[in-house]
Amino acid sequence: DQQVKQNSPSLSVQEGRISILNCDYTNSMFDYFLWYKKYPAEGPTFLISISSIKDKNEDGRFTVFLNKSAKHLSLHIVPSQPGDSAVYFCAARVNDYKLSFGAGTTVTVRA
Amino acid sequence: NAGVTQTPKFRVLKTGQSMTLLCAQDMNHEYMYWYRQDPGMGLRLIHYSVGEGTTAKGEVPDGYNVSRLKKQNFLLGLESAAPSQTSVYFCASSTTGPYGYTFGSGTRLTVV
Repeated sequence: DQQVKQNSPSLSVQEGRISILNCDYTNSMFDYFLWYKKYPAEGPTFLISISSIKDKNEDGRFTVFLNKSAKHLSLHIVPSQPGDSAVYFCAARVNDYKLSFGAGTTVTVRA
Repeated sequence: NAGVTQTPKFRVLKTGQSMTLLCAQDMNHEYMYWYRQDPGMGLRLIHYSVGEGTTAKGEVPDGYNVSRLKKQNFLLGLESAAPSQTSVYFCASSTTGPYGYTFGSGTRLTVV
């Protein structure tokens, strides 16, 4: 049973506009949420994270929002750039080390 | 600073053959993991290790074995490969804290 779900397999956005990626989870014991970015033929790389005690974390063009009551988080990328075209994985941690991953969302940024 | 290194990067196996995937990390991380990535399924945990000499099963352990004889190495073995094991395999390592994993670049395995 997948505890972390990304229901949108793909997203296409124009360069300069906002990209919004969504993620839902079922386990209320998750204490950290993370986003990873993956380019073809490479391993995923850490992008941004948020603790379950916060509702927002910002790092440059990337902002993650957490809505615990809805068990929902989102990643906003503003403005979107061509280099942001990649697969984005949402992940959640229930203890000090083990992560559960969503299926990923492929983002394509159009010029 | 290599991070996490996986070998080989590509491999084609015949059904029933065996092989070992190698993972090495140079960050002195305690925890190491093997994931497989399949279309529409995301990253699924096969086995993991919380320290030298320890291993544990993840979500999809059947058909795989692992060993962690040294802290820096985590080996994934397929004793009798099956077409269902065609996938991209990622090794990762981590330490305590909210910093997530460091992933290797992956091994693309095809079983024919």
